[in-house]
Amino acid sequence: SQQGEEDPQALSIQEGENATMNCSYKTSINNLQWYRQNSGRGLVHLILIRSNEREKHSGRLRVTLDTSKKSSSLLITASRAADTASYFCATESVETSGSRLTFGEGTQLTVNP
Amino acid sequence: DSGVTQTPKHLITATGQRVTLRCSPRSGDLSVYWYQQSLDQGLQFLIHYYNGEERAKGNILERFSAQQFPDLHSELNLSSLELGDSALYFCASSPQGSWAFDEQFFGPGTRLTVL
Repeated sequence: SQQGEEDPQALSIQEGENATMNCSYKTSINNLQWYRQNSGRGLVHLILIRSNEREKHSGRLRVTLDTSKKSSSLLITASRAADTASYFCATESVETSGSRLTFGEGTQLTVNP
Repeated sequence: DSGVTQTPKHLITATGQRVTLRCSPRSGDLSVYWYQQSLDQGLQFLIHYYNGEERAKGNILERFSAQQFPDLHSELNLSSLELGDSALYFCASSPQGSWAFDEQFFGPGTRLTVL
């Protein structure tokens, strides 16, 4: 089963608006990562936030992590049509079988010009 | 372009067959990871190799196996294929990969269709 659950499943906004996507997870994690995927293509790593970090910025991206609530959010400011893609969170946790990365189901973001 | 290459781009085969997917990591990267993306299961981590050794296993079926060669390229072998194995198979590489998943660079994927 998917550990990360994104919310919302789909988001449609106008260019220039901000987009916020949320991710919840269930077990303890070492880090959480956000990826973007354009339709049918490979994933692109956006940002990694470690479990001892609360907030991280990269360009127009802002990620927060609340380990007490087991949740993270990805904010894209001043969105552009080129931001249209699916966004996935992925959590890294250590299990008896080793370290593993678990992806959520993704949020489909559509930015309308 | 991430620098990770995967071949072939598309593969169409029949149930019961065996296929091999190939991945070449970015130059200098020691870790290779394999993922499966399907409509039913979403994105699933399959397996991680670091410098030729298996480091972690995810939801990889027993019909599937992988290896990483001395030149660091990796192959994912899928056997006794079933219709449900139809999916996009991605590999990713990263420079390190002891046990921590740091930034990974994904290849374009191989689309497998099992008829």
